[in-house]
Amino acid sequence: EAQVTQNPRYLITVTGKKLTVTCSQNMNHEYMSWYRQDPGLGLRQIYYSMNVEVTDKGDVPEGYKVSRKEKRNFPLILESPSPNQTSLYFCASSPRKGDTEAFFGQGTRLTVV
Amino acid sequence: AQRVTQPEKLLSVFKGAPVELKCNYSYSGSPELFWYVQYSRQRLQLLLRHISRESIKGFTADLNKGETSFHLKKPFAQEEDSAMYYCALRLNSGNTPLVFGKGTRLSVIA
Repeated sequence: EAQVTQNPRYLITVTGKKLTVTCSQNMNHEYMSWYRQDPGLGLRQIYYSMNVEVTDKGDVPEGYKVSRKEKRNFPLILESPSPNQTSLYFCASSPRKGDTEAFFGQGTRLTVV
Repeated sequence: AQRVTQPEKLLSVFKGAPVELKCNYSYSGSPELFWYVQYSRQRLQLLLRHISRESIKGFTADLNKGETSFHLKKPFAQEEDSAMYYCALRLNSGNTPLVFGKGTRLSVIA
C-alpha cells in the first residue's frame, strides 16, 4: 500500500531536549516536505526536499533541521525545542510531475512544555 | 513567488444550501491547482485537481485564469462535508512543491 508514515504520532517533550520526527514514503517520490498546522494559520511549510541531498527552506524554517540522505526518508530534527514549536506536523511526498497529488502522513502532534 | 489566498477562515452553511469556498492565486503562468480536504482528526487528502475536471463527492472546481481563481462549489451541502479545506498550487513544470492557502473551515449545520 502506498503511504507516508510518520513517527511518533504523539510526543510530549521538555524545552531544549533534542528530538527527531521520522517520515518515510514507499512510493519512490522525489519530493518530500514538512508542514506545521496551527489554528488560524493553516499549513505552513517548514522545509522541503526535491531529491536526495537537496533540501531547501520553506516559510518557517527557524528552529528546525532536515536531512535527505536517502530517497525514502526525510526526518525533521528539533535541536532545542521550544514551546512555540508545539504544533501538528505533517510530512508529505509527491513525484516530480507537476499535476500529481501529494500524499500526506497521518500527522505528529508535538507538545513542548 | 506564487501565493494562494483563501479569504474565508470559517464558512457556515445550512444543510442543503449551496457552498462556495473561494481560492485565488497569484502566478502569471499556468499552475496546477488542487483542493485538499482534512476531516476531523485525519490526514489531508486530495479532493480534486483542476486538470481532471471531475466531480468528487458532489464538489467541482473550475479554473478561471482571467480571475486567477479556483473556487470549490457544491450545490447542496451535507453534514459530512464539514471539514477543513485547503487550496493548493503547484507549477506545472514540476520544479517546486505545493503551495497551500491558509485553509477554510466549512461547517454544515443541520
